[in-house]
Amino acid sequence: DAGITQSPRHKVTETGTPVTLRCHQTENHRYMYWYRQDPGHGLRLIHYSYGVKDTDKGEVSDGYSVSRSKTEDFLLTLESATSSQTSVYFCAIRGTGANEKLFFGSGTQLSVL
Amino acid sequence: GEDVEQSLFLSVREGDSSVINCTYTDSSSTYLYWYKQEPGAGLQLLTYIFSNMDMKQDQRLTVLLNKKDKHLSLRIADTQTGDSAIYFCAELDTGTASKLTFGTGTRLQVTL
Repeated sequence: DAGITQSPRHKVTETGTPVTLRCHQTENHRYMYWYRQDPGHGLRLIHYSYGVKDTDKGEVSDGYSVSRSKTEDFLLTLESATSSQTSVYFCAIRGTGANEKLFFGSGTQLSVL
Repeated sequence: GEDVEQSLFLSVREGDSSVINCTYTDSSSTYLYWYKQEPGAGLQLLTYIFSNMDMKQDQRLTVLLNKKDKHLSLRIADTQTGDSAIYFCAELDTGTASKLTFGTGTRLQVTL
């Protein structure tokens, strides 16, 4: 398995609280991604990063921010969690050139009550 | 923007071949991927194809790419009950900083 660790694996939080999810990789890959998965929607891209301090928005970025201060860590923050952000969040990494495969972490189940 | 479409459900009998289809819209796609997700699990990369290829075979899996029609298919030979899962296709567009767009997934049900 690719070296991707997501934490926490499960979290329950209350509406209005900030939440940070962490993705850690040991592959030294350049690209990192945050997706959310919801029934009927497949995987939707929230934010992605193409290098340290280089990030961009995906299709569902409202209410989320990200940071990448080191190659190995990509943090996803929900500024003020809402019930619509209850979802399963997946981190993915991708190398360049011969390493064009995209590998996923095990996911974080987030419930916002 | 990019759009990737898949049918939602496919049912096949054990031992038959399964064909899962996917259409995409972005002509600048470079790589196209197939992922498998079992219940409660993450996404497992099955195979991928570079956009200048027409076909790729890997054991029971065959990927066909029709660039003209922007159509991708995954054929699973001798389908087994362990193949029951959701299958996602995805396209990589390196023209937009390597953004990957996924389809909504096809649930494959294998019956005895």
